[in-house]
Amino acid sequence: QQQVKQSPQSLIVQKGGISIINCAYENTAFDYFPWYQQFPGKGPALLIAIRPDVSEKKEGRFTISFNKSAKQFSLHIMDSQPGDSATYFCAASMGTGFQKLVFGTGTRLLVSP
Amino acid sequence: GAVVSQHPSWVICKSGTSVKIECRSLDFQATTMFWYRQFPKQSLMLMATSNEGSKATYEQGVEKDKFLINHASLTLSTLTVTSAHPEDSSFYICSARDPLAGVYEQYFGPGTRLTVT
Repeated sequence: QQQVKQSPQSLIVQKGGISIINCAYENTAFDYFPWYQQFPGKGPALLIAIRPDVSEKKEGRFTISFNKSAKQFSLHIMDSQPGDSATYFCAASMGTGFQKLVFGTGTRLLVSP
Repeated sequence: GAVVSQHPSWVICKSGTSVKIECRSLDFQATTMFWYRQFPKQSLMLMATSNEGSKATYEQGVEKDKFLINHASLTLSTLTVTSAHPEDSSFYICSARDPLAGVYEQYFGPGTRLTVT
């Protein structure tokens, strides 16, 4: 119930292409869905986040698509660049209690020049 | 934006010794801080949640007596790994929540690499 499943585990995309990472959850009490980017040896940094009252959110080249009925959400990186090569984590949280984040397993993205 | 720092950024210690890692919120007051552990090529695993002035809440399977957490002020939380062993070698990351920024937002520190020899 507390898990967030993420796929694929790794992804190679050509420069200029679209990177797509998918996540699925079970707990319908989750109401906050962020995506984090992590470079080797660094802490994760928030990229973009969405609440379940909207189906899509776009910030620059990054878009979250959210499907509440399917309990799935995805990150789309448009015009992928070599500098986007990093590990991406989806997460989910509830607005009650400590608002702990439950992380997905991560996707290692490599954007080839 | 909100900044969270950690000190040290890396530390090497001998087996059986203790090591303290500091987590500071630099430009906001953090009522709640979180400690995570991350093994190579794996996800972040929440170890404990600390609230200023109260005892930390540990996740299932995390040894309270081994990983001592103190949140003595609104800008500082510390994690002490006691009697460290090689299996404790990991990347430790803290995060802090700014209550003024929104109920969900967490800001992550840069992490501390612990190596136990």
